[in-house]
Amino acid sequence: AQKVTQAQTEISVVEKEDVTLDCVYETRDTTYYLFWYKQPPSGELVFLIRRNSFDEQNEISGRYSWNFQKSTSSFNFTITASQVVDSAVYFCALSEGTSTASKLTFGTGTRLQVTL
Amino acid sequence: DAGVIQSPRHEVTEMGQEVTLRCKPISGHDYLFWYRQTMMRGLELLIYFNNNVPIDDSGMPEDRFSAKMPNASFSTLKIQPSEPRDSAVYFCASSLAGDEEGEKLFFGSGTQLSVL
Repeated sequence: AQKVTQAQTEISVVEKEDVTLDCVYETRDTTYYLFWYKQPPSGELVFLIRRNSFDEQNEISGRYSWNFQKSTSSFNFTITASQVVDSAVYFCALSEGTSTASKLTFGTGTRLQVTL
Repeated sequence: DAGVIQSPRHEVTEMGQEVTLRCKPISGHDYLFWYRQTMMRGLELLIYFNNNVPIDDSGMPEDRFSAKMPNASFSTLKIQPSEPRDSAVYFCASSLAGDEEGEKLFFGSGTQLSVL
Protein backbone atom coordinates (compact mmCIF):
# COMPACT_ATOMS: atom_id res chain seq x y z
CA ALA A 1 0.00 0.00 0.00
CA GLN A 2 1.10 3.52 -0.67
CA LYS A 3 1.79 5.89 2.16
CA VAL A 4 2.92 9.48 2.49
CA THR A 5 4.21 10.81 5.78
CA GLN A 6 4.52 14.47 6.63
CA ALA A 7 5.83 14.34 10.15
CA GLN A 8 5.69 18.10 10.71
CA THR A 9 2.15 19.01 11.65
CA GLU A 10 2.76 22.71 12.02
CA ILE A 11 5.73 25.03 11.48
CA SER A 12 6.00 28.68 12.43
CA VAL A 13 8.68 30.93 11.01
CA VAL A 14 9.38 34.60 10.83
CA GLU A 15 9.28 36.23 7.44
CA LYS A 16 12.49 35.89 5.42
CA GLU A 17 13.49 32.71 7.14
CA ASP A 18 14.05 29.60 5.05
CA VAL A 19 11.85 26.63 5.83
CA THR A 20 11.88 23.00 4.71
CA LEU A 21 8.83 20.81 4.69
CA ASP A 22 9.56 17.10 4.88
CA CYS A 23 7.86 14.34 2.96
CA VAL A 24 8.62 10.64 3.13
CA TYR A 25 6.79 8.11 1.00
CA GLU A 26 6.34 4.37 0.68
CA THR A 27 5.46 2.53 -2.48
CA ARG A 28 6.15 -0.76 -4.19
CA ASP A 29 5.76 0.75 -7.61
CA THR A 30 8.88 1.37 -9.63
CA THR A 31 7.22 4.14 -11.57
CA TYR A 32 5.34 6.78 -9.69
CA TYR A 33 4.83 10.52 -9.39
CA LEU A 34 5.26 12.80 -6.44
CA PHE A 35 3.45 16.06 -5.97
CA TRP A 36 3.22 19.07 -3.72
CA TYR A 37 -0.02 21.01 -3.34
CA LYS A 38 -0.67 24.21 -1.44
CA GLN A 39 -3.94 24.90 0.36
CA PRO A 40 -4.17 28.57 1.36
CA PRO A 41 -6.73 29.78 3.90
CA SER A 42 -9.25 30.22 1.10
CA GLY A 43 -9.40 26.43 0.86
CA GLU A 44 -8.62 25.53 -2.73
CA LEU A 45 -5.81 23.13 -3.57
CA VAL A 46 -3.13 24.59 -5.76
CA PHE A 47 -0.71 22.42 -7.71
CA LEU A 48 2.95 23.29 -7.11
CA ILE A 49 5.06 20.55 -8.65
CA ARG A 50 5.08 17.03 -10.07
CA ARG A 51 8.14 14.79 -10.27
CA ASN A 52 8.37 11.33 -11.77
CA SER A 53 10.34 8.58 -10.12
CA PHE A 54 13.00 8.53 -12.83
CA ASP A 55 13.95 12.14 -12.45
CA GLU A 56 15.91 12.83 -9.30
CA GLN A 57 17.11 16.21 -10.35
CA ASN A 58 16.35 18.88 -7.85
CA GLU A 59 14.12 21.64 -9.06
CA ILE A 60 14.01 25.31 -8.30
CA SER A 61 11.18 27.66 -9.09
CA GLY A 62 11.71 31.13 -7.72
CA ARG A 63 11.80 30.86 -3.94
CA TYR A 64 10.65 27.26 -4.05
CA SER A 65 12.92 24.26 -4.39
CA TRP A 66 12.42 20.55 -4.16
CA ASN A 67 14.86 17.83 -3.20
CA PHE A 68 13.96 14.33 -4.38
CA GLN A 69 16.05 11.51 -2.96
CA LYS A 70 15.00 8.04 -3.98
CA SER A 71 17.52 6.43 -1.65
CA THR A 72 15.69 7.82 1.36
CA SER A 73 12.21 7.93 -0.25
CA SER A 74 11.98 11.61 0.46
CA PHE A 75 10.69 14.57 -1.48
CA ASN A 76 11.33 17.67 0.60
CA PHE A 77 10.17 21.17 -0.20
CA THR A 78 12.09 24.29 0.76
CA ILE A 79 10.83 27.84 0.72
CA THR A 80 13.61 30.40 0.72
CA ALA A 81 13.04 33.82 2.24
CA SER A 82 9.52 32.95 3.33
CA GLN A 83 6.73 35.50 3.06
CA VAL A 84 3.43 35.91 4.86
CA VAL A 85 1.65 34.84 1.66
CA ASP A 86 3.31 31.46 1.97
CA SER A 87 1.15 30.73 5.00
CA ALA A 88 -0.90 27.70 4.04
CA VAL A 89 -1.19 23.97 4.49
CA TYR A 90 1.13 22.08 2.20
CA PHE A 91 0.39 18.56 1.07
CA CYS A 92 2.76 16.02 -0.37
CA ALA A 93 1.14 13.34 -2.52
CA LEU A 94 2.05 10.16 -4.37
CA SER A 95 0.40 8.70 -7.42
CA GLU A 96 -0.45 5.06 -7.63
CA GLY A 97 0.67 2.77 -10.34
CA THR A 98 1.91 3.48 -13.81
CA SER A 99 -1.35 4.54 -15.37
CA THR A 100 -1.87 8.17 -16.10
CA ALA A 101 -4.74 8.34 -13.68
CA SER A 102 -3.90 10.82 -10.98
CA LYS A 103 -5.09 8.67 -8.13
CA LEU A 104 -3.22 10.38 -5.37
CA THR A 105 -2.43 9.38 -1.84
CA PHE A 106 -1.98 12.50 0.24
CA GLY A 107 0.01 13.11 3.35
CA THR A 108 -1.67 14.72 6.32
CA GLY A 109 -0.27 18.11 5.46
CA THR A 110 2.02 20.61 7.15
CA ARG A 111 0.57 23.90 8.24
CA LEU A 112 3.06 26.70 7.68
CA GLN A 113 2.58 29.96 9.50
CA VAL A 114 4.78 32.85 8.41
CA THR A 115 4.66 35.90 10.65
CA LEU A 116 6.14 39.37 10.37
CA ASP B 1 -10.47 27.83 -19.04
CA ALA B 2 -12.83 28.18 -16.09
CA GLY B 3 -11.25 25.37 -14.13
CA VAL B 4 -13.13 22.72 -12.18
CA ILE B 5 -16.42 24.14 -10.98
CA GLN B 6 -18.17 22.83 -7.91
CA SER B 7 -21.52 23.75 -6.46
CA PRO B 8 -22.66 24.64 -3.97
CA ARG B 9 -19.70 26.19 -2.14
CA HIS B 10 -21.43 25.66 1.18
CA GLU B 11 -24.22 23.32 2.16
CA VAL B 12 -25.88 23.11 5.54
CA THR B 13 -28.44 20.40 6.02
CA GLU B 14 -30.10 18.38 8.71
CA MET B 15 -29.36 14.79 9.48
CA GLY B 16 -31.38 12.45 7.33
CA GLN B 17 -31.68 14.81 4.39
CA GLU B 18 -30.40 14.03 0.93
CA VAL B 19 -27.42 16.06 -0.24
CA THR B 20 -26.23 16.40 -3.82
CA LEU B 21 -22.87 17.89 -4.68
CA ARG B 22 -22.11 18.88 -8.25
CA CYS B 23 -19.01 19.12 -10.34
CA LYS B 24 -18.11 20.30 -13.80
CA PRO B 25 -14.62 19.15 -14.79
CA ILE B 26 -12.29 21.00 -17.10
CA SER B 27 -13.42 20.56 -20.68
CA GLY B 28 -11.52 17.75 -22.38
CA HIS B 29 -10.34 16.08 -19.21
CA ASP B 30 -11.01 12.36 -19.11
CA TYR B 31 -10.53 11.64 -15.41
CA LEU B 32 -12.71 12.91 -12.61
CA PHE B 33 -12.09 12.39 -8.91
CA TRP B 34 -14.06 13.02 -5.74
CA TYR B 35 -12.03 13.61 -2.59
CA ARG B 36 -13.16 14.30 0.96
CA GLN B 37 -11.16 16.33 3.45
CA THR B 38 -11.65 16.10 7.20
CA MET B 39 -9.47 17.03 10.12
CA MET B 40 -9.33 13.45 11.30
CA ARG B 41 -8.64 11.66 8.04
CA GLY B 42 -7.12 14.30 5.81
CA LEU B 43 -7.72 14.02 2.08
CA GLU B 44 -9.30 10.76 1.03
CA LEU B 45 -10.15 9.58 -2.45
CA LEU B 46 -13.78 8.50 -2.60
CA ILE B 47 -14.22 7.52 -6.24
CA TYR B 48 -12.85 8.26 -9.67
CA PHE B 49 -14.13 8.02 -13.21
CA ASN B 50 -12.41 7.57 -16.54
CA ASN B 51 -14.39 8.59 -19.60
CA ASN B 52 -17.52 8.76 -17.44
CA VAL B 53 -17.10 5.19 -16.18
CA PRO B 54 -16.49 4.59 -12.46
CA ILE B 55 -13.13 2.88 -12.09
CA ASP B 56 -12.59 2.63 -8.38
CA ASP B 57 -15.17 3.36 -5.71
CA SER B 58 -13.38 1.57 -2.91
CA GLY B 59 -13.07 4.81 -1.00
CA MET B 60 -16.80 5.42 -0.81
CA PRO B 61 -17.54 5.10 2.90
CA GLU B 62 -20.83 3.25 2.68
CA ASP B 63 -23.98 2.70 0.67
CA ARG B 64 -25.32 6.09 1.64
CA PHE B 65 -22.82 7.57 -0.80
CA SER B 66 -23.26 7.35 -4.54
CA ALA B 67 -21.64 9.11 -7.48
CA LYS B 68 -22.61 9.43 -11.09
CA MET B 69 -21.12 10.88 -14.21
CA PRO B 70 -23.83 10.98 -16.86
CA ASN B 71 -21.64 12.82 -19.34
CA ALA B 72 -18.15 14.20 -19.74
CA SER B 73 -19.03 17.58 -18.31
CA PHE B 74 -20.97 16.74 -15.18
CA SER B 75 -20.73 14.59 -12.09
CA THR B 76 -22.69 14.34 -8.85
CA LEU B 77 -21.94 12.97 -5.44
CA LYS B 78 -25.03 12.12 -3.45
CA ILE B 79 -25.39 11.32 0.22
CA GLN B 80 -28.69 9.83 1.30
CA PRO B 81 -29.42 9.96 4.17
CA SER B 82 -26.80 12.38 5.44
CA GLU B 83 -25.27 12.09 8.91
CA PRO B 84 -23.29 14.56 11.03
CA ARG B 85 -20.10 12.53 10.46
CA ASP B 86 -20.38 13.31 6.74
CA SER B 87 -19.51 16.92 7.51
CA ALA B 88 -16.38 17.69 5.53
CA VAL B 89 -15.05 19.54 2.52
CA TYR B 90 -15.70 17.61 -0.67
CA PHE B 91 -13.37 18.29 -3.57
CA CYS B 92 -13.82 17.41 -7.18
CA ALA B 93 -10.76 17.21 -9.41
CA SER B 94 -10.07 16.38 -13.01
CA SER B 95 -7.07 15.45 -15.11
CA LEU B 96 -6.10 14.61 -18.64
CA ALA B 97 -4.10 11.48 -19.30
CA GLY B 98 -1.39 11.15 -21.86
CA ASP B 99 0.18 14.54 -22.26
CA GLU B 100 2.40 16.98 -20.48
CA GLU B 101 -0.35 17.78 -18.05
CA GLY B 102 -1.03 14.15 -17.36
CA GLU B 103 -0.95 13.15 -13.72
CA LYS B 104 -1.64 16.73 -12.73
CA LEU B 105 -4.88 17.09 -10.83
CA PHE B 106 -6.84 20.29 -11.08
CA PHE B 107 -9.05 20.80 -8.06
CA GLY B 108 -12.27 22.67 -7.67
CA SER B 109 -12.81 25.06 -4.78
CA GLY B 110 -14.61 22.42 -2.77
CA THR B 111 -18.01 22.16 -1.13
CA GLN B 112 -18.10 22.70 2.61
CA LEU B 113 -20.81 20.36 3.89
CA SER B 114 -22.24 20.68 7.39
CA VAL B 115 -24.77 18.12 8.55
CA LEU B 116 -26.52 19.18 11.74
